[in-house]
Amino acid sequence: DAGITQSPRHKVTETGTPVTLRCHQTENHRYMYWYRQDPGHGLRLIHYSYGVKDTDKGEVSDGYSVSRSKTEDFLLTLESATSSQTSVYFCAISESGETGQPQHFGDGTRLSIL
Amino acid sequence: KQEVTQIPAALSVPEGENLVLNCSFTDSAIYNLQWFRQDPGKGLTSLLLIQSSQREQTSGRLNASLDKSSGRSTLYIAASQPGDSATYLCAVDPYNFNKFYFGSGTKLNVKP
Repeated sequence: DAGITQSPRHKVTETGTPVTLRCHQTENHRYMYWYRQDPGHGLRLIHYSYGVKDTDKGEVSDGYSVSRSKTEDFLLTLESATSSQTSVYFCAISESGETGQPQHFGDGTRLSIL
Repeated sequence: KQEVTQIPAALSVPEGENLVLNCSFTDSAIYNLQWFRQDPGKGLTSLLLIQSSQREQTSGRLNASLDKSSGRSTLYIAASQPGDSATYLCAVDPYNFNKFYFGSGTKLNVKP
């Protein structure tokens, strides 16, 4: 299995609080991605990174920010969590951004916002 | 905006049956299509990737086909086993940047 660790695995928090999810990889892959998975929507890309300090928006980036200060860590922050951000969040990595490169996924973080 | 649809949402079959999972996408200008497997509480595992220039890919009992002109892909599973029970997702890359649009998946249950 690809060396991807997401933390925390589960979190319950209240509306309006800040939340940070962490993705840590041991593969030294250049590309890292954050997705959310909701019933009836499949996975949707939130943000991705193509190198240290290099990030870009995905399909559903509103309300989220990301940071990547080291190759191995990609952080997803909800500045002020809302109930609509209750979801399962997945991190993925790939060696490059070339089409056809396999993406390897972490086991997800289940986030509940009350 | 690319829309990816998977039908049926759920499927239950007896062990040993051959089965087909369907995926359709609205914009035929894609660079590749991938099929993934997701087990409960786990992330996704890539099963097969089909480049836009290819018609099909095979891995063991799995065969995926791609018809770009009609916006369709199928995943064929031969001689299904209870261990095949999982959710199967297809995803398309429309921009050549390895960023995917996913379907919502087909939940497969193979009964012993």
